[in-house]
Amino acid sequence: TQLLEQSPQFLSIQEGENLTVYCNSSSVFSSLQWYRQEPGEGPVLLVTVVTGGEVKKLKRLTFQFGDARKDSSLHITAAQPGDTGLYLCAAYNTDKLIFGTGTRLQVFP
Amino acid sequence: DAEITQSPRHKITETGRQVTLACHQTWNHNNMFWYRQDLGHGLRLIHYSYGVHDTNKGEVSDGYSVSRSNTEDLPLTLESAASSQTSVYFCASSEGFVGSYNEQFFGPGTRLTVL
Repeated sequence: TQLLEQSPQFLSIQEGENLTVYCNSSSVFSSLQWYRQEPGEGPVLLVTVVTGGEVKKLKRLTFQFGDARKDSSLHITAAQPGDTGLYLCAAYNTDKLIFGTGTRLQVFP
Repeated sequence: DAEITQSPRHKITETGRQVTLACHQTWNHNNMFWYRQDLGHGLRLIHYSYGVHDTNKGEVSDGYSVSRSNTEDLPLTLESAASSQTSVYFCASSEGFVGSYNEQFFGPGTRLTVL
């Protein structure tokens, strides 16, 4: 089974700080997705990146797909308590979606 | 609004009992999935279905079964519950041909405890 490794596993920061979450694999993917999961809920898709080197922005969130399509990063600028949650990267392995191990983010006021 | 629901939201059962978790979606999606989520493992695929009467095994299917008799429902059955099956279970659905770009829509999850 291809593995998506995320780092860091846990991140606790103060409101207003910037952070970056990484998703790495030894495999090449045709696309990569990022989901956010809040406590007591299921994951919700944030973005899909499909082209090597692609950068997508969603308000204060910036997603980048690596040039070789093996890795991705999520950067949050000026984090807010509402950003608290579990961030999951995911990619299709043939017809099945595989998920990374997750990064649990806590933003304190 | 279309949605995907799971029931029950919490369940406590005993080792050896049969348990069925319900999943119902009103998106009219052909594809449905069951995952379990455990600390340190992320989300792992248990079973999935691409349409009525179609079912397939995922990465961790031992001890679980599903059946798909209509588009809206994919119940997950634990034949004989074991403590190792204590977990949070998520149902998901997606539309169209499964491939690189499909968004999966998740239910709110069922927390199952096997004593």
